[in-house]
Amino acid sequence: ETGVTQSPTHLIKTRGQQVTLRCSSQSGHNTVSWYQQALGQGPQFIFQYYREEENGRGNFPPRFSGLQFPNYSSELNVNALELDDSALYLCASSLGVTVNRYTEAFFGQGTRLTVV
Amino acid sequence: QKEVEQDPGPLSVPEGAIVSLNCTYSNSAFQYFMWYRQYSRKGPELLMYTYSSGNKEDGRFTAQVDKSSKYISLFIRDSQPSDSATYLCAMSESGDYKLSFGAGTTVTVRA
Repeated sequence: ETGVTQSPTHLIKTRGQQVTLRCSSQSGHNTVSWYQQALGQGPQFIFQYYREEENGRGNFPPRFSGLQFPNYSSELNVNALELDDSALYLCASSLGVTVNRYTEAFFGQGTRLTVV
Repeated sequence: QKEVEQDPGPLSVPEGAIVSLNCTYSNSAFQYFMWYRQYSRKGPELLMYTYSSGNKEDGRFTAQVDKSSKYISLFIRDSQPSDSATYLCAMSESGDYKLSFGAGTTVTVRA
């Protein structure tokens, strides 16, 4: 196990609702990245948080927002849910913001969101 | 055209066979190349990491990067049923903060 935990593991929401997903980082990691993995697809980068600030964002609309707390845990919030938001949402924690040989990203098991 | 292309398979091989997986990419700025393994209902876990071009071997796993062809490969020797999983290639530019993933190839190793 990676030490990155996500909750809940599964969630069913209705179109138009709002959802909050949570991630607890691996001990000592100060950076959290969120990815969306649609069925049969690779993970797509949503955004990254470093020391409670958004450090970078992928091609996702503003209704996808996040928070990082002083203990480096993080939340992903999605407003006005659409059917296409149904996916596995993965959180990855790392020590440092950039990808290199010293900053491996450790992924949680994901939250499976179904929008009906 | 996607930035990273990966054949989704599925790929089914007998136990003991060599599994060959590959990805192509279009972004010549990619410098870091990774292979992740994802078991069903789990998050991806890092298998192999390569910087720039070259080969890297770790036990039964060999990763190859050919930047001139924008092509990376992963070979699994003496495959085992426990190797049955989805294998994702991932790449990143130097100094970047995000990973760009392929779609993943689902591999089944038959006992």
